[in-house]
Amino acid sequence: AQKVTQAQTEISVVEKEDVTLDCVYETRDTTYYLFWYKQPPSGELVFLIRRNSFDEQNEISGRYSWNFQKSTSSFNFTITASQVVDSAVYFCALSGGSQGNLIFGKGTKLSVKP
Amino acid sequence: DVKVTQSSRYLVKRTGEKVFLECVQDMDHENMFWYRQDPGLGLRLIYFSYDVKMKEKGDIPEGYSVSREKKERFSLILESASTNQTSMYLCASSLRGTGGAGYTFGSGTRLTVV
Repeated sequence: AQKVTQAQTEISVVEKEDVTLDCVYETRDTTYYLFWYKQPPSGELVFLIRRNSFDEQNEISGRYSWNFQKSTSSFNFTITASQVVDSAVYFCALSGGSQGNLIFGKGTKLSVKP
Repeated sequence: DVKVTQSSRYLVKRTGEKVFLECVQDMDHENMFWYRQDPGLGLRLIYFSYDVKMKEKGDIPEGYSVSREKKERFSLILESASTNQTSMYLCASSLRGTGGAGYTFGSGTRLTVV
């Protein structure tokens, strides 16, 4: 069975702090994809990144970076120098299997205070 | 700009009513999905469709049905609304065979059943 675990339910930081959101996944597929989505208070899910199972290179995009480690089945997300606008619920998701449906974690609510 | 549009942002219905939630996408995507989102539970898949007139049950289909008469439109139907169906409903679409491409989500419909 496929599963995504985001152990952190809520995180609160002060602006300019770095913060890491954890994501651990389970799958028997050899080919799969991992995602992060952001859901601001407006409600719409915003795609942040996709990673396939064969690409373990870390990715950096501005203040965002992602660390994919197959050995520990983790796909962690770090925000450097957090800002108030980063406040949102962040979802990690896994896609694999014959149908490729997205399986979501329960989300981590990040609050960045000024 | 590509879009997934959900017809209502907020909806209040009475227990026992038949409720229709509409979703339209303009990206010519084959796949469409309905999720519900509840605090602490993340996003759970209700139904999905890979083509016109096709439908598949997701993880929590009980109490729901769907209709896909046209490629661009995917409707979620609550046959007899109950208070435990009060939730945020999110529609998404994706291209066929691209489980790895991720989904485009609508802004969500917050349904309250009283």
